[in-house]
Amino acid sequence: AQSVTQLDSHVSVSEGTPVLLRCNYSSSYSPSLFWYVQHPNKGLQLLLKYTSAATLVKGINGFEAEFKKSETSFHLTKPSAHMSDAAEYFCVVIDFRSNDYKLSFGAGTTVTVRA
Amino acid sequence: DARVTQTPRHKVTEMGQEVTMRCQPILGHNTVFWYRQTMMQGLELLAYFRNRAPLDDSGMPKDRFSAEMPDATLATLKIQPSEPRDSAVYFCASGPRTGGYGELFFGEGSRLTVL
Repeated sequence: AQSVTQLDSHVSVSEGTPVLLRCNYSSSYSPSLFWYVQHPNKGLQLLLKYTSAATLVKGINGFEAEFKKSETSFHLTKPSAHMSDAAEYFCVVIDFRSNDYKLSFGAGTTVTVRA
Repeated sequence: DARVTQTPRHKVTEMGQEVTMRCQPILGHNTVFWYRQTMMQGLELLAYFRNRAPLDDSGMPKDRFSAEMPDATLATLKIQPSEPRDSAVYFCASGPRTGGYGELFFGEGSRLTVL
């Protein structure tokens, strides 16, 4: 069975400073990993995905994430936070080898950006 | 711009009433998911379909919830009778037919309040 743990429930940063959201995963096989973002009163939107190609993945809005198998991590970063980055972020894992299309969501990290 | 459409966006009802939520997945997508989001439980998978067939509804209270896909353009989630603990935001998401598993497109949700 697969699962993800988001290590921070809340992250607060100043505008223009780096953002780091931490995610560790557990999977029996080689996982596929995703980050989704949810702005207030909106649905979730895919930010980026890792599916066993390049370990450094670039997504939308300047975000990127690095898959580190040795650390079972998939941390999300952005070099310079913008006010519009204030949202909730979900790390997600799926194990296709189980032929199961269920995604396992982390508990979420709420990001606030200070002016 | 293709998107998942959910109706109603907001619903307030009294305990014991029937509630039906509808979802129009993106044309050509063959997987459809229903999620429920609450502050306490986060995102919970209720049911999902592939090619209109239900694959898993183990997350759904069977005695009161039912999910169907009468055709490829419509998914429904019904609660009968509704209870105050069903108050939540219900999201529908669809996924593409080939590859891209895990890349879900979410609707904006149906916010349900049961009094």
